[in-house]
Amino acid sequence: DAMVIQNPRYQVTQFGKPVTLSCSQTLNHNVMYWYQQKSSQAPKLLFHYYDKDFNNEADTPDNFQSRRPNTSFCFLDIRSPGLGDTAMYLCATSSPLTGSVSPLHFGNGTRLTVT
Amino acid sequence: ILNVEQSPQSLHVQEGDSTNFTCSFPSSNFYALHWYRWETAKSPEALFVMTLNGDEKKKGRISATLNTKEGYSYLYIKGSQPEDSATYLCASVKAAGNKLTFGGGTRVLVKP
Repeated sequence: DAMVIQNPRYQVTQFGKPVTLSCSQTLNHNVMYWYQQKSSQAPKLLFHYYDKDFNNEADTPDNFQSRRPNTSFCFLDIRSPGLGDTAMYLCATSSPLTGSVSPLHFGNGTRLTVT
Repeated sequence: ILNVEQSPQSLHVQEGDSTNFTCSFPSSNFYALHWYRWETAKSPEALFVMTLNGDEKKKGRISATLNTKEGYSYLYIKGSQPEDSATYLCASVKAAGNKLTFGGGTRVLVKP
């Protein structure tokens, strides 16, 4: 089945130690998103790619970077994680053919804990 | 309304009862409203994408309505079952962009 896969499912990292979260998709969707969800809060968009075009949200900290080497893969790099970066990180894709009326397809998320 | 807001934050429902909850969103430059169901340990799953004022959509025992002029959507669950227990997220889209803005979700627990 076509799907969105995030690895790892759980990640524990130390304060200040760089960490990379990965997302892969077999849907061949052009748009890929990274969302951060802190406990009981709304998922917050960090950035998204439309093909190779990178769109950063104005309030996304510089500490957060992303790479999309090809259509299938997208990475979230946190250069120096702080305790406040403990959260669930969700990757999602969508097809631009129907624009914003196309639903998002989510991965299972990576739950990151910074100690 | 500047942000997407959902109420209540959580609710407990007795099995067999019907329930509903609200998503409020900015009505200016509205383009689309999405609903997702997120069960524990699973990925959020799309329920509906709605665009037209007065739109009603249905999927099994779950239905949704949309009022774009006043900026709200209701999600209804008829005859709740334990498998309906999940967090229900709504998200609005402005002006044909790719960006969805999510609400904080309504956590539904259906008690047998």
